[in-house]
Parts: sequence; structure tokens; C-alpha cells
Amino acid sequence: DSGVTQTPKHLITATGQRVTLRCSPRSGDLSVYWYQQSLDQGLQFLIQYYNGEERAKGNILERFSAQQFPDLHSELNLSSLELGDSALYFCASSVEVGSHEQFFGPGTRLTVL
Amino acid sequence: EDQVTQSPEALRLQEGESSSLNCSYTVSGLRGLFWYRQDPGKGPEFLFTLYSAGEEKEKERLKATLTKKESFLHITAPKPEDSATYLCAVQAIGTYKYIFGTGTRLKVLA
Repeated sequence: DSGVTQTPKHLITATGQRVTLRCSPRSGDLSVYWYQQSLDQGLQFLIQYYNGEERAKGNILERFSAQQFPDLHSELNLSSLELGDSALYFCASSVEVGSHEQFFGPGTRLTVL
Repeated sequence: EDQVTQSPEALRLQEGESSSLNCSYTVSGLRGLFWYRQDPGKGPEFLFTLYSAGEEKEKERLKATLTKKESFLHITAPKPEDSATYLCAVQAIGTYKYIFGTGTRLKVLA
């Protein structure tokens, strides 16, 4: 158990819908990262927050957005969902920004029908 | 463009048969290189961080090494419980983005 929690574990929804994935980092970690993992593309870095501020953006679509709240939990919002958005979404946390080990949560499996 | 390539894509070993996994990278300047282990359906688990060429790190049967262009994950006398996908990632200087390779799927047969 990494100490990072993600909810829900599974999510099934329809195309065009909007969903919110939630992540609670390890106690004391200020950085939160979001990743998408699909079979054909591997693990793709989406976005990073540090203590409430956006620090880095990766391959995140405009239909996706995220934020980190004052209590340090984070939410990833996915809207206008497409079939291709079906994937495992991981949240990770680390104590600081930069080259520090990340602790990954168990992931949310999103299925778009 | 920053890039990470891992080889082989898949590897089957007999228990006790040592081997190495390769991670080639292209970055403008390396801040750090990371190895993770991922079991099916689970989140990646951190193994090592390497920062500069010549650096080596060890953990049980695993040893990671780093040169200016690639990193190797050496597995000595593997056991079936070492079966997993091994992921390599880099972070370049001047950015906080992480770039992951597609991984090597390792299967160790008893």
C-alpha cells in the first residue's frame, strides 16, 4: 500500500459525459501527478501540481482539467468523453517537486461506452 | 524531443537465469532517471533514481546503472516473483515533466 488513495476504482460511462476522479496523496506529500495508461500508449504524464499550483503539463487534452485543493487532495475532470479516453488513470504523489520518487495510487479504470 | 526507448519489449527467463533490461534516452539535459516495477492492474512501484553517468544502485536482485545515453537494469538470479513490467522514466533539466518508456514485460519461469 503506497498511501495514495484514488476513487472510484472503476467508472463506466457513456460518450459525451463528464467524470471526476479523486486522489488523496500520502500524508506530507505536497506534489500530485496524474497519468493516463492505455494499452497502446503506455504511461503518459498528464499534469503535476505542487502545493495547489500547477507545475508541469504533459500530454493533457483541453477536455481534461485538474486542480489541487488546500487540503492537498486533487481531482482530475474529464469532459466530452470519447471511446479513446478509456484507460487506467493513476495519481502519484511525492514530497517535493523535481527528481523525487513518486508513490502511485491503485488507479481508476475508466470505461467509456 | 525528449524520448525514452526500452528493450526488449518482453523477456522470458528461467529462474536463476540473469539478464539485463535496457533503457535508452534522449534528453537535452538529464535531471534524473527512474526505474519502476508494475504488476498487472496496479500502480507502478518505485525502484531507483539515478542522477549522473557512472552511478549505480542496488536492491536485492536488481542493480541499475547509468551512462550518458542509456541505463541498464540487471537482474541477477531472478525468481518468479520478479515477474512484472519494468518501466524507465526520465526528467529533463528545465522541466518537471516525466517521460516514461513503454516498459519491458518480464516473465520468470520456475
